[in-house]
Amino acid sequence: GQNIDQPTEMTATEGAIVQINCTYQTSGFNGLFWYQQHAGEAPTFLSYNVLDGLEEKGRFSSFLSRSKGYSYLLLKELQMKDSASYLCAPMDSNYQLIWGAGTKLIIKP
Amino acid sequence: GAVVSQHPSWVICKSGTSVKIECRSLDFQATTMFWYRQFPKQSLMLMATSNEGSKATYEQGVEKDKFLINHASLTLSTLTVTSAHPEDSSFYICSARGGSGREGPTDTQYFGPGTRLTVL
Repeated sequence: GQNIDQPTEMTATEGAIVQINCTYQTSGFNGLFWYQQHAGEAPTFLSYNVLDGLEEKGRFSSFLSRSKGYSYLLLKELQMKDSASYLCAPMDSNYQLIWGAGTKLIIKP
Repeated sequence: GAVVSQHPSWVICKSGTSVKIECRSLDFQATTMFWYRQFPKQSLMLMATSNEGSKATYEQGVEKDKFLINHASLTLSTLTVTSAHPEDSSFYICSARGGSGREGPTDTQYFGPGTRLTVL
């Protein structure tokens, strides 16, 4: 079967760094997306990895290890507006995104 | 770039009525559009995938006669919830794929802002 495993909830402090881990199992693999979803809103695209390694984009970085079925999203210099759910979504052999429940990140002052 | 609009943003209707939701890709042509439903604190649930000019592919358990999808052009898809009932109350979100050269790769799904449906 296909599944995604992410922590349900994490808490971090404003200005700090947080790493959100994701392990996945899919039928085939065509890359992995990270999306941010604020409460009551639709997801917005953050990053995409298809090769092993780290992709950096401003305060956000995403890492992928295909052999381990593992990815993480690293958020630096946390701001209050980063409080949201973060969705790890691998793409399977049919180019369909597989969605889990995501990780709810709470930022405290 | 890669802007997707959805209309209406929220709707309240009586049980038994039909509701149409529009999804438009504003600055790119979407080869594929997706319709999702999301209940509170749950993951996105894919309802159907549609390609312009062809019939939508529905996920298992989604009634195609109840959730009518029309993908008339490369920039417009509509979802009609027919004979809505209170259990259809949910957050409906569309996404569009095909915006090459945007923030992400061609396979990136860009989401509309969602439509919150409440059926009384």
